Amino acid sequence: DAEITQSPRHKITETGRQVTLACHQTWNHNNMFWYRQDLGHGLRLIHYSYGVQDTNKGEVSDGYSVSRSNTEDLPLTLESAASSQTSVYFCASSSTANTGELFFGEGSRLTVL
Amino acid sequence: RKEVEQDPGPFNVPEGATVAFNCTYSNSASQSFFWYRQDCRKEPKLLMSVYSSGNEDGRFTAQLNRASQYISLLIRDSKLSDSATYLCVVNNAGNMLTFGGGTRLMVKP
Repeated sequence: DAEITQSPRHKITETGRQVTLACHQTWNHNNMFWYRQDLGHGLRLIHYSYGVQDTNKGEVSDGYSVSRSNTEDLPLTLESAASSQTSVYFCASSSTANTGELFFGEGSRLTVL
Repeated sequence: RKEVEQDPGPFNVPEGATVAFNCTYSNSASQSFFWYRQDCRKEPKLLMSVYSSGNEDGRFTAQLNRASQYISLLIRDSKLSDSATYLCVVNNAGNMLTFGGGTRLMVKP
């Protein structure tokens, strides 16, 4: 069965460290997204991609970057982790034909100390 | 003002009750609308799309009022398993969805 997986599921890091969260989908979807979810803010879009070599900034992109070298993967990098980036991160994908249905990964819980 | 606003709740209802949530959106050009469900510490999942004419899926009914810019979700005969957070989602343009903060529902025996 097709799926979308994130790793690591839990990570604790220190302020200033670089962190990369992996996202891999086997749906063959063109569209991929990274969201963060915090109490009081709901899901907020960080970056998104509509295809290979395409990346775009979302609502809360400062301090984050992504790259899309193939269809399956959209890794999210925190260049220099800050305590404000402690959150739960969700990766999602959708097909071009049905953009309303996002398939989410199980989430990555990141703690920055 | 947030693009998509929901009452965070929680809505505490007994089993068998009917409960309704509303959601308002600010962009009058919004094109499509959805309800997602999120269980505690889990990923969101699509519950249903919301069509202009209203639509029903079993015990769930979704309605859209474009003039007043709100979306509703009605759950009849609530089950314990309906306990979750319900996210209102709007597609303004392209392939990007904007999520509301969610409404938490707790169904009690």
